[in-house]
Amino acid sequence: RKEVEQDPGPFNVPEGATVAFNCTYSNSASQSFFWYRQDCRKEPKLLMSVYSSGNEDGRFTAQLNRASQYISLLIRDSKLSDSATYLCVVNSGSNDYKLSFGAGTTVTVRA
Amino acid sequence: ETGVTQTPRHLVMGMTNKKSLKCEQHLGHNAMYWYKQSAKKPLELMFVYSLEERVENNSVPSRFSPECPNSSHLFLHLHTLQPEDSALYLCASSQAEEANYGYTFGSGTRLTVV
Repeated sequence: RKEVEQDPGPFNVPEGATVAFNCTYSNSASQSFFWYRQDCRKEPKLLMSVYSSGNEDGRFTAQLNRASQYISLLIRDSKLSDSATYLCVVNSGSNDYKLSFGAGTTVTVRA
Repeated sequence: ETGVTQTPRHLVMGMTNKKSLKCEQHLGHNAMYWYKQSAKKPLELMFVYSLEERVENNSVPSRFSPECPNSSHLFLHLHTLQPEDSALYLCASSQAEEANYGYTFGSGTRLTVV
């Protein structure tokens, strides 16, 4: 079983729509969770950390469900510039600084 | 310079060539990583250095040889590569004691082996 699994998409949505997707992780000892964004042919960049209580950063909301071992990302009022691949990232164990990356979910926002 | 800098940005090499990729971080981090990303595939961890010691080598072929002379610099030496080694090679750094802050990536070297 892969450490981090994501629906690859693509999710094609119109501008202004809401889009949400999940990822699941296999290591119950994981403590750190992130969403990264990767644009085509560019490096991944940290979008936001995911906290137990859930957190928002502008139009982006991340949730963590430890019991079911999944993380979600919701994007409200989608912009064309949100088109990217979103990588779910989980650390390899309690206090382990090594991260495992999902294969990514591709989102395309159309005008 | 700030962040993580990788050179060169693009590299085309023949299968008999020897080349090196360079990574430099200006963030005061103490852990550095090499990742490989092939088209439409997830990031594959290749090597991890923590406090300049190699702590992980994920069954990477010996034609890839890492070097970490100090906590700010990381190299990946390449020799007798195969066409399937063509990929985006990403360097990243982090603070090993701070699992909550994630990694900072360089912009990568896009390698083509001909």
